[in-house]
Amino acid sequence: AQKVTQAQTEISVVEKEDVTLDCVYETRDTTYYLFWYKQPPSGELVFLIRRNSFDEQNEISGRYSWNFQKSTSSFNFTITASQVVDSAVYFCALSRYNQGGKLIFGQGTELSVKP
Amino acid sequence: ETGVTQSPTHLIKTRGQQVTLRCSSQSGHNTVSWYQQALGQGPQFIFQYYREEENGRGNFPPRFSGLQFPNYSSELNVNALELDDSALYLCASSSGQMNSYEQYFGPGTRLTVT
Repeated sequence: AQKVTQAQTEISVVEKEDVTLDCVYETRDTTYYLFWYKQPPSGELVFLIRRNSFDEQNEISGRYSWNFQKSTSSFNFTITASQVVDSAVYFCALSRYNQGGKLIFGQGTELSVKP
Repeated sequence: ETGVTQSPTHLIKTRGQQVTLRCSSQSGHNTVSWYQQALGQGPQFIFQYYREEENGRGNFPPRFSGLQFPNYSSELNVNALELDDSALYLCASSSGQMNSYEQYFGPGTRLTVT
């Protein structure tokens, strides 16, 4: 069975601090996809990144970076120099290779960035 | 904004009633997936529609049903509402079948069952 665990329920930081959101997943598949989504108070899920299981290269996009480690089944997300606008709930998700439309989400981490 | 719209925004129903939620997919997308997000939880996959056919279903009872229309918009119907059906219902559109990996979510419909 597939499962995603985000152990951090809530994180509070002060603006400009770096923050890492943890994601641990379980799957018996050798081929799968991992995702991060952001959910602001408006409720709409905003796609941030997709990573396939073949590619363990870390990725950086502006202040965002992702660390994928198959050996520990983790796909962590770091925000550098956090800003108040980063305040949201962040979800990590997993999909099987041939079931991209069926996302298995973690419980989410609520990030609060205070000025 | 993703171009995915949902209606209504909010809805209050009584236990035992039936409800229909609507989703218009992003232009060019032929696949719609529905998710239920209970308060404080991650979204859970209900089902997906591809070219008007159900194409995958999560662990939800048959009283959750859906439709997809020729213009690829979709409806989610829930019969015999229960208190636990209170949640945010999200739809997501994408291009292609289950191999479509980038889904674009709508703003959701907040359903409250009393």
